[in-house]
Amino acid sequence: DAKTTQPTSMDCAEGRAANLPCNHSTISGNEYVYWYRQIHSQGPQYIIHGLKNNETNEMASLIITEDRKSSTLILPHATLRDTAVYYCIVRFISSGSARQLTFGSGTQLTVLP
Amino acid sequence: GAGVSQSPSNKVTEKGKDVELRCDPISGHTALYWYRQSLGQGLEFLIYFQGNSAPDKSGLPSDRFSAERTGGSVSTLTIQRTQQEDSAVYLCASSLGVMPGELFFGEGSRLTVL
Repeated sequence: DAKTTQPTSMDCAEGRAANLPCNHSTISGNEYVYWYRQIHSQGPQYIIHGLKNNETNEMASLIITEDRKSSTLILPHATLRDTAVYYCIVRFISSGSARQLTFGSGTQLTVLP
Repeated sequence: GAGVSQSPSNKVTEKGKDVELRCDPISGHTALYWYRQSLGQGLEFLIYFQGNSAPDKSGLPSDRFSAERTGGSVSTLTIQRTQQEDSAVYLCASSLGVMPGELFFGEGSRLTVL
């Protein structure tokens, strides 16, 4: 699976949009981009995933560049409860096999009041 | 229950003892994963089960670690002759299958080896 690079930490003001970047310059055509987060002392929580197109759900939006070498997770109105470590993961998927998610170090997002 | 259930939530054991950690995945989920997370560290993959296929054991750190999944549902992770470096939170996750989708994680079992 392609390696991802994320900033170690970021701050965001409560109520503002949080934009979390991720570089995955070696991504291949069969690899999806996944985002998870882990709030302190809890198990990771799925946020969103995408292949080529931008995606949006009730939690966040995922913007993937046209060359797929980077992506941005957007939390439109960050709250204090969004403080967590955010993991960007690239995962190979095919109809015949799957690989485990490989978690890197992630970005510690701190939402400030 | 609706989510992935793990037990025990906390386990304190003495070095050299064996421990068993249990995971009840979400009903109908064919894929099951075990990860561990040491204090302040990221998640480390241990083992993956998918349906009736042979499990992917590539992440197990030593032969003291083993896991089984009975009837395609409940899974047990066994650590024999525990060592202090085995102290970590052991996380289980399940998903509907191979194709793209989310993994649902349990709250983990915190293991402390004295």
